[in-house]
Amino acid sequence: GQNIDQPTEMTATEGAIVQINCTYQTSGFNGLFWYQQHAGEAPTFLSYNVLDGLEEKGRFSSFLSRSKGYSYLLLKELQMKDSASYLCAVRDASKLTFGTGTRLQVTL
Amino acid sequence: GAVVSQHPSRVICKSGTSVKIECRSLDFQATTMFWYRQFPKQSLMLMATSNEGSKATYEQGVEKDKFLINHASLTLSTLTVTSAHPEDSSFYICSATTSGSFTDTQYFGPGTRLTVL
Repeated sequence: GQNIDQPTEMTATEGAIVQINCTYQTSGFNGLFWYQQHAGEAPTFLSYNVLDGLEEKGRFSSFLSRSKGYSYLLLKELQMKDSASYLCAVRDASKLTFGTGTRLQVTL
Repeated sequence: GAVVSQHPSRVICKSGTSVKIECRSLDFQATTMFWYRQFPKQSLMLMATSNEGSKATYEQGVEKDKFLINHASLTLSTLTVTSAHPEDSSFYICSATTSGSFTDTQYFGPGTRLTVL
């Protein structure tokens, strides 16, 4: 099975940088995804890592270490609209399993 | 690209009735669609995997006779909640991939909020 851990809540200031960590223990691994979900809405795709290292996409970057079962999502130049839940999801051979999500609050 | 729609976005029904939710891939063909359920402040829980032209694969603990899934075409999957009860009230979200395996990203629909009175 899969076990995915993320912090429940985080708070950061507008314009700052925030790192959201995700650790996982899986019986199989075929990639890790990060999704953003605003309250009452469906998740939107942010990033995908299957190899070790950093993937950068604008203000968002995601890092993966398969040997450590660890990933993080880095958000730079935070904006108020970045207030949302961030879901870490691991794919094994048969399905995508989501963590409980990290609720990020961006303050002035 | 990769737009997924769901209909309806919100539905309120009486206990004992059945509710059908549609999931459509608008600009791509989805050989595989997934149905999730999300309770407040909880993460997405996979209910079933739907492959076009074949029977859905249900996750453990999900009643296949209660949650009927039909994937009749490459752009449409439906979830029917039969004899709905208040405990079925939840946010139902579908997603779709562009291939028959898990090599592609899942794109999510906007979700359907079901309230059973």
